[in-house]
Amino acid sequence: DVKVTQSSRYLVKRTGEKVFLECVQDMDHENMFWYRQDPGLGLRLIYFSYDVKMKEKGDIPEGYSVSREKKERFSLILESASTNQTSMYLCASSPPLPSYEQYFGPGTRLTVT
Amino acid sequence: KNQVEQSPQSLIILEGKNCTLQCNYTVSPFSNLRWYKQDTGRGPVSLTIMTFSENTKSNGRYTATLDADTKQSSLHITASQLSDSASYICVVSAKAAGNKLTFGGGTRVLVKP
Repeated sequence: DVKVTQSSRYLVKRTGEKVFLECVQDMDHENMFWYRQDPGLGLRLIYFSYDVKMKEKGDIPEGYSVSREKKERFSLILESASTNQTSMYLCASSPPLPSYEQYFGPGTRLTVT
Repeated sequence: KNQVEQSPQSLIILEGKNCTLQCNYTVSPFSNLRWYKQDTGRGPVSLTIMTFSENTKSNGRYTATLDADTKQSSLHITASQLSDSASYICVVSAKAAGNKLTFGGGTRVLVKP
C-alpha cells in the first residue's frame, strides 16, 4: 500500500512564526503536491514538484514556499505565518503518467493565532 | 477557467437507502474524472477513476457514471451504511503535465440510523 505521512496532525503557531510542514511518501513517486482545504472552497493547489529540486507554483502560492531535496520528502514552508493561513493542509503523491492516481496524506490542521 | 461543481452541498439519508451525488465540470481538455471519499479529519481516499472512454465504474456499493458529452458525472451509493458518512469530492484532471487536478467543493453525506 502507498503510504503518505505528514509530520503533524495538529499544529498551533503564532503570527509571524516560520512554519515547516513535512510530507514523506514511500512509493518512489516522482510527483508530489501540497494543497490547502477550506470549508466551501474545496482543495486548492499551493505547489507541486515533478522531481527532486524541481517545483512549480499552483493556484495559490503566495505566502508559501517549498523544498524537495530528496525524492521521498516534500516540505511546505510558511515564511511568516498569518491568521489567514489557518487551514487543513494536505500532501499528495503520484507516479508519472499514464497513472492518474494521487495518494493523499492524513492532513495537518494548522491554526495560526 | 476549469471548474468542477457538485450538488447537493449536503445530504442526509437514512441507513439502507440509496442516494446519488452530482458533478458538472468544464475542465478541458478532459483527461479523467475521479471520486474521492474524505472522512472527517482525514485525507481523501480514491473511490473510482474514469477516463474518456468509460461511462460507468463500480467499487462495491459505489457506482460512478460519466457522460463526457454533457460533462456530467454522478456517484450512486447503494444501501447506505453509517460508515458512508463523509464528504465526497469530484475531481477532474486536464491533459497536462504533473497530474494537476481541479477539485469540486464536495458533497457532505450524513447517514442516520
